[in-house]
Amino acid sequence: DQQVKQNSPSLSVQEGRISILNCDYTNSMFDYFLWYKKYPAEGPTFLISISSIKDKNEDGRFTVFLNKSAKHLSLHIVPSQPGDSAVYFCAASYTGTASKLTFGTGTRLQVTL
Amino acid sequence: DSGVTQTPKHLITATGQRVTLRCSPRSGDLSVYWYQQSLDQGLQFLIQYYNGEERAKGNILERFSAQQFPDLHSELNLSSLELGDSALYFCASSVVGSSTEAFFGQGTRLTVV
Repeated sequence: DQQVKQNSPSLSVQEGRISILNCDYTNSMFDYFLWYKKYPAEGPTFLISISSIKDKNEDGRFTVFLNKSAKHLSLHIVPSQPGDSAVYFCAASYTGTASKLTFGTGTRLQVTL
Repeated sequence: DSGVTQTPKHLITATGQRVTLRCSPRSGDLSVYWYQQSLDQGLQFLIQYYNGEERAKGNILERFSAQQFPDLHSELNLSSLELGDSALYFCASSVVGSSTEAFFGQGTRLTVV
């Protein structure tokens, strides 16, 4: 049972444009959501997070939006840069469960020149 | 550099063998998590330790075990290895056991031949 889903395995965006990565979840108990970026041969790197009490969190070029009613979150990268090319994982957890993260399968973002 | 150190980076071993993967968490982090990433899959949670005690268990096989030592480093033991155990094994650490971002090591790539 895939509780966190990233339905787009890949995405290609031109440099300077907006990248939108999507994530859906099924477990309504999730109350904390994170995005990780992963380069080849490296571990995932924390990017940005959002608590379920918010619907938006912004950090520089990265903004995460949370729609609890739709059980959907998205990561916006504006403007996209070639260095953003990586695999992006959505993850979720909920308090009271020792905070283990449930990951999606990832979306490979390619930012082209 | 996330501050989480995993050794070895690569490991090649034969079926039926036993290996030990080691993880040193970031200084001050009490929680250690182990994740498995098989080819083209998301990260699957295996097990979490918090200050030396097992805190949560995921889909960890009975052939796998882990422990966290008094100095907070952790080891993941994989025994009776099968071809399907070939994967990237990531360790992550976080400050406390509640919802928060976890910081990942670079992973150990295990190849079972």
